[in-house]
Amino acid sequence: AQSVTQLDSQVPVFEEAPVELRCNYSSSVSVYLFWYVQYPNQGLQLLLKYLSGSTLVKGINGFEAEFNKSQTSFHLRKPSVHISDTAEYFCAVSDGYSGNTPLVFGKGTRLSVIA
Amino acid sequence: DAGVIQSPRHEVTEMGQEVTLRCKPISGHDYLFWYRQTMMRGLELLIYFNNNVPIDDSGMPEDRFSAKMPNASFSTLKIQPSEPRDSAVYFCASSLLGPRVTEAFFGQGTRLTVV
Repeated sequence: AQSVTQLDSQVPVFEEAPVELRCNYSSSVSVYLFWYVQYPNQGLQLLLKYLSGSTLVKGINGFEAEFNKSQTSFHLRKPSVHISDTAEYFCAVSDGYSGNTPLVFGKGTRLSVIA
Repeated sequence: DAGVIQSPRHEVTEMGQEVTLRCKPISGHDYLFWYRQTMMRGLELLIYFNNNVPIDDSGMPEDRFSAKMPNASFSTLKIQPSEPRDSAVYFCASSLLGPRVTEAFFGQGTRLTVV
């Protein structure tokens, strides 16, 4: 079964600084990868997804992620964060090879942007 | 579309009582998922349905939990009897699938507190 590891449970960063949230997944022949964001007292909202094609994926709110098959990673980055980016971020994986499988989520990384 | 709608948003109940959580998926979506979110375990998949049929309920913690999907526009998650350790945020999500799982749309969740 697929699994996802988010290496940092909390990441504090100053406003306008760059940030990287790390995600590693268990290896599989084919995977689909996702980043979701959860603002306080809200549901999860899709930031970006990798299904195939270019390994650099751009999402909403200026975020991007890079799929690295050799390192089984899908790290999320933003060059300059804003206070409004304070939220919890979840990496998720679906096993693309076997067909219809639900998303498996990491435990989340809490991003705190400091003014 | 209004998105995935969950009710109630908050539920406080006494130990031993029956609790029913409700979900209306996005119209036309043929997959529905129930997740539970806790600090300790993060987001766990409890059960998912395809075309109203339960596909995998291996994540349901015990027999006190049951889920139904009587039609394409409604699902319930029931806990009977409830226990304090069931306190969590319960999310419903739906997706429209072709041959593979892609994006899941989440409701805003039900925060359950069992006292």
